[in-house]
Amino acid sequence: EAQVTQNPRYLITVTGKKLTVTCSQNMNHEYMSWYRQDPGLGLRQIYYSMNVEVTDKGDVPEGYKVSRKEKRNFPLILESPSPNQTSLYFCASSNTGGDGYTFGSGTRLTVV
Amino acid sequence: DQQVKQNSPSLSVQEGRISILNCDYTNSMFDYFLWYKKYPAEGPTFLISISSIKDKNEDGRFTVFLNKSAKHLSLHIVPSQPGDSAVYFCAASAGGSNNNDMRFGAGTRLTVKP
Repeated sequence: EAQVTQNPRYLITVTGKKLTVTCSQNMNHEYMSWYRQDPGLGLRQIYYSMNVEVTDKGDVPEGYKVSRKEKRNFPLILESPSPNQTSLYFCASSNTGGDGYTFGSGTRLTVV
Repeated sequence: DQQVKQNSPSLSVQEGRISILNCDYTNSMFDYFLWYKKYPAEGPTFLISISSIKDKNEDGRFTVFLNKSAKHLSLHIVPSQPGDSAVYFCAASAGGSNNNDMRFGAGTRLTVKP
């Protein structure tokens, strides 16, 4: 089954403790992206990657890092999480543009 | 600065009636528009799209209308069904359907009552 897999689904952590949210896709998509969803703000892009070893900032990149060492994986790294990064995070991949986006099921992160 | 706006956070309609979800955008460079549907505990899924060269696109019960001069689009669902209850996101991009750089609205929660 074609899918984007995110882990973990739920995470509660403390301020300053580094964490990684993994994202993997099995569709051989070149493009991958991370979004965060917040009430009243919709989905905002954090980082995206056009291909292996190519990453770029989205609209809200502060406090996040990503890497794209392999085509299928695009982890999101929070080096020093803060409470304002409490959010619902989605990974997405695509080859063909907006209507080809496949989203993961989301990771709900709480930073206390 | 939100370039895509959905001003109604929620909408409730009766089963069988029409649901109309609205979306406004500010960036005149946007030329491709999409609607995504999201159920709880799932990621958004693509519903329907429209290019700026059209003013209407239809897919079954779902129709999207685009008014470029007003920078406004709407999604019509006829007839509405309880299974349509979800959050609907409007999205837009510049550079056509192959452009992956999308901007999303805040979403509208649709509730269809049996």
